[in-house]
Amino acid sequence: SYELTQPPSVSVSPGQTATIPCSGDNLGNKYVCWYQQKPGQSPLLVMYQDTLRPSGIPERFSGSNSGNTATLTIGGTQAVDEADYYCQAWDSRSYVFGTGTKVTVL
Amino acid sequence: EVQVVESGGGVVRPGGSLRLSCAASGFTLDDYAMNWVRQVPGKGLEWVSGMNWNDAGTGHADSVKGRFTISKDSAKNSLFLQMNSLRAEDTALYYCAREAGGSSSKQAFDVWGRGTMVTVSS
Repeated sequence: SYELTQPPSVSVSPGQTATIPCSGDNLGNKYVCWYQQKPGQSPLLVMYQDTLRPSGIPERFSGSNSGNTATLTIGGTQAVDEADYYCQAWDSRSYVFGTGTKVTVL
Repeated sequence: EVQVVESGGGVVRPGGSLRLSCAASGFTLDDYAMNWVRQVPGKGLEWVSGMNWNDAGTGHADSVKGRFTISKDSAKNSLFLQMNSLRAEDTALYYCAREAGGSSSKQAFDVWGRGTMVTVSS
C-alpha cells in the first residue's frame, strides 16, 4: 500500500521559516493537501492541490510538490502555528495520510 | 453555516456492531463526496471510507473492507457508517469529512465534524 512519510517533529523559532516535508513514491504526480490539527480540535485544511490556500488561511502558508516530496512551508512562523500537520494524497482508490509532524515554536 | 455533526459512537464489545451518523447542514450531501476518517487518540489520521458525490461508488480502507459500509439518506441529508465485526483496533475518534469541490473534487477535505468516539472493549 502507498505510504507518505513525514518527520515526527520540526522545531522553529518565532518569525523563522518552518519547512515540513512529505515523502512518497512519485508524489509529484499526485495532488497533495495539508491539514493543521491543534490539541482537542478537528483537522483544518490549510493547503490543497499542492499550492492552493483555502479562504481564511494566512499567506505565510505555502506549498510545493515535485519528484518524491511535497513540502508545506510556514514563513514567519507564529506561536499560533504550533500544531500537528498531516499531508494527504489519493492513490489507487483510497486516500492516504502522512504520518504527521509536530511543529513546535520555541 | 456549513457543518457536519457526527453521532452514534459508544462502547461496544469485540464482534459487535455500531452505526455512526453524520448530519450535514448548510449544504446538500448529494452535491459532494463524503468520507469517514478516524484517529486513535494521540495518533495520526486514517481514511476509513468514502462515497462519491453522484453515488458513483464507494471505497473502504483495506483495514475495514468487508466489515464497514458507508451509505447515505439524501432525504435526511445524512451520511452513515455501519460497522460490523468490530475489533479492539477499531477504537478511535471517527470524523465525518466533506470533500472540497463538489463534482470537481479537490481531493481534500474542507469540512470536518468534531468526531464521535468508538471504543471496542470487553
